[in-house]
Parts: sequence; structure tokens; C-alpha cells
Amino acid sequence: DQQVKQNSPSLSVQEGRISILNCDYTNSMFDYFLWYKKYPAEGPTFLISISSIKDKNEDGRFTVFLNKSAKHLSLHIVPSQPGDSAVYFCAASSMYSGGGADGLTFGKGTHLIIQP
Amino acid sequence: KAGVTQTPRYLIKTRGQQVTLSCSPISGHRSVSWYQQTPGQGLQFLFEYFSETQRNKGNFPGRFSGRQFSNSRSEMNVSTLELGDSALYLCASSSGRWTGHEQYFGPGTRLTVT
Repeated sequence: DQQVKQNSPSLSVQEGRISILNCDYTNSMFDYFLWYKKYPAEGPTFLISISSIKDKNEDGRFTVFLNKSAKHLSLHIVPSQPGDSAVYFCAASSMYSGGGADGLTFGKGTHLIIQP
Repeated sequence: KAGVTQTPRYLIKTRGQQVTLSCSPISGHRSVSWYQQTPGQGLQFLFEYFSETQRNKGNFPGRFSGRQFSNSRSEMNVSTLELGDSALYLCASSSGRWTGHEQYFGPGTRLTVT
């Protein structure tokens, strides 16, 4: 049973526009959420995180929104740049409630393609 | 600071053999986690070591094991390799007290079992 779902395997966005990547989770014990970016032949790179006590966290061009009642989070990238083309993974943990006993639970990723 | 390093980067083994992969965390990081990435299952948590002790374990058979040394370097071992063990094995280190905190990944070891 997939506890973290990224329902869009790929997303194509024009350079300069907003990219919105979505993630849904089912485990209500999750209280800490992270986004990672992965280029081919490299390990995932941490982008931004949010704890369940917040509903928004911003870092430069990247903003993560959390809707706890809907068990949904999204990553907004504004403006999108060619270097943003990569696979984006959503991850979750029960860091505060469960001590992170299951490590990070990842979604299967969304391949973001930025068109010039 | 140097990032997480993993050796070797690529490995080809035969079914039934065993393999050991190595990971050096970011200097000062005491937590090391291991993940398996396959096209079908995505990234799955194997186990986490903190101060030389296994703190958490994912849902993998006992053929998968690991250890951590006093300098925080970690190794993972897979015995009696099966074809389904072919995957990218990623190591991640963290300075956080909690396993679910931000983790920094190495480039991975690509294991192919034939």
C-alpha cells in the first residue's frame, strides 16, 4: 500500500511559468514532509521541507504548501528554469510522533520537464 | 564540506553471491540511512544507523544487513543475492537527532545481479 503518492509521472512546463508538483499521503502519523530533486546518475538533493504545524514554507523560488485536512502537499517553483528539469520526489516521516522509525517514505516521483 | 561518498559506484554480481557496499557520510553527521531504488518500487528505506547502533529498520529480509563504525562510516551487506536485488542503493547522512529529518544523499551504487 503506497502511503505517499505522486499521481503525475511527468509534467511539462514552459520556462518562466509556474511549476506545481502534487503529492498525497494516507498515513495520518506523518508530520514532516520533504521535497527532493534528482538528476540522472546522482543521488536525490534536498530542496525544502515543512512540518505539520505550518501550512506554507518558502525558500527562494520554491514554496511548499501543506493541507493537512486533505492530506495533500504541493511544491511550487516560480519562475521555472531549464535547470529545474529533473525528477522530484515527495517524502514524509513521522518524525515527531513516531521518532521517524520508518525513515523517509518516498513517492515514486514526478519528472518535470521545462520547455524553452 | 565534502558530500556523502559511496563506493563502488557500479557492481555486477552473480546470483547467490554476497556483496558489501560502503558509505562515508558528511563530516560531523552521525546518522546514516540506506535506501533501495528500483523502477517498480521507487525509493524504499532499508535501515538507519546512529552512533554505531541500528536505530530503525525497514521491511526487508534478513539477507540485508549493515553496520556503522566509530567514524560514522557505514557498510551494507547483501547475502545470497537474487535477481530482484538489482537496484540503485543510496546512502544518506543526517546531522539531525531524528531519522525523518533532512537527509543528504550520496550518488548511489548501481548493483546488477545476473
